[in-house]
Amino acid sequence: ETGVTQTPRHLVMGMTNKKSLKCEQHLGHNAMYWYKQSAKKPLELMFVYNFKEQTENNSVPSRFSPECPNSSHLFLHLHTLQPEDSALYLCASSQDRGLAKETQYFGPGTRLLVL
Amino acid sequence: QKEVEQNSGPLSVPEGAIASLNCTYSDRGSQSFFWYRQYSGKSPELIMFIYSNGDKEDGRFTAQLNKASQYVSLLIRDSQPSDSATYLCAVKGGDKIIFGKGTRLHILP
Repeated sequence: ETGVTQTPRHLVMGMTNKKSLKCEQHLGHNAMYWYKQSAKKPLELMFVYNFKEQTENNSVPSRFSPECPNSSHLFLHLHTLQPEDSALYLCASSQDRGLAKETQYFGPGTRLLVL
Repeated sequence: QKEVEQNSGPLSVPEGAIASLNCTYSDRGSQSFFWYRQYSGKSPELIMFIYSNGDKEDGRFTAQLNKASQYVSLLIRDSQPSDSATYLCAVKGGDKIIFGKGTRLHILP
């Protein structure tokens, strides 16, 4: 498998559920990202990991918890979400967060609906 | 607050014509500029990047960068119905990439 993959592709969950989103990149990159994309809003960067270390958390509520066990895998653990958290969650990877010419490659996304 | 601005559209262009998409940014220290295409229900796909002032051509696509005026544009020649999508401008300064809201492009058959 190549590129950036995400599972599941679609997820419906209740506000009391706990679920996890998974991202895997096969590009040999060292940086991985979680973005949230809601209708009519720009992409919102949530978390950044560079060489497995979390380097950015953009004031994301604690009901979202990231985990990066190695440079190829990234998880987003979800618990007690709200309906307004319904969105497309995109994972991306790049060679290195610090490079000026860093190019990010996106996975297909997980479409999340919170009921 | 660093910002990237794009006209949300929709921008309607006849098939075969040139589509021109524009993006302005606020951070003068920005170094790298990217155009992503996003089809409805799909993830963003990188189509062009540009780092230096001037034009960069790749097939039917030309990216234009003017750092003095803080704008970057994307021209699509010989527009095809398959070019209908939302185009996201992304700007990187330091270690932060900021995305615009995107411009919806509709190619009229």
